[in-house]
Amino acid sequence: KQEVTQIPAALSVPEGENLVLNCSFTDSAIYNLQWFRQDPGKGLTSLLLIQSSQREQTSGRLNASLDKSSGRSTLYIAASQPGDSATYLCAVPSGGYQKVTFGIGTKLQVIP
Amino acid sequence: EPEVTQTPSHQVTQMGQEVILRCVPISNHLYFYWYRQILGQKVEFLVSFYNNEISEKSEIFDDQFSVERPDGSNFTLKIRSTKLEDSAMYFCASSEEAAIAKNIQYFGAGTRLSVL
Repeated sequence: KQEVTQIPAALSVPEGENLVLNCSFTDSAIYNLQWFRQDPGKGLTSLLLIQSSQREQTSGRLNASLDKSSGRSTLYIAASQPGDSATYLCAVPSGGYQKVTFGIGTKLQVIP
Repeated sequence: EPEVTQTPSHQVTQMGQEVILRCVPISNHLYFYWYRQILGQKVEFLVSFYNNEISEKSEIFDDQFSVERPDGSNFTLKIRSTKLEDSAMYFCASSEEAAIAKNIQYFGAGTRLSVL
């Protein structure tokens, strides 16, 4: 059974700082990994999708890396801004690949 | 860009009432999913649906839940007799195929269900 863990659970940083969010998963036989953003009480916004054949994916100030063999992914946010404050979720296909398993998320607060 | 659409964005209901949550998946997608997120908890898989049949469901998806694709565009989740613990955000997702390497699921913005 796929388990997804995200560390840290919460993070508070001053504006402008670079930061790294971590995600680990127990079953490394995945074909892709997604990072989502969720604002309080809101839905899921897909940020980045990494295919298993890729080692990293970039979008603006965001860079996600994937190391399948170690069961890890990181989301790097450069020059953080208060608007980046949200919960960031990591998700991987699991089981019979009919479903996606999510981590609990990392709640990020960027202080002006 | 095509997107998954969910309505309503917020549904308030009385305990014991039936509710239907609606989703319009991306038009050329063939696989459909419902997920649930209780406040403060993980997003959890409920059910997957293909070719007018449930293909997989979780232990959460008991007899009070049902799914249907009543026409060529809508995909619905029905909760027959709502309980307080059904209060959650419900997400619909769709994918073009379920083939392992290509099962990329696109998520809707969610419906917040509040059971009073």
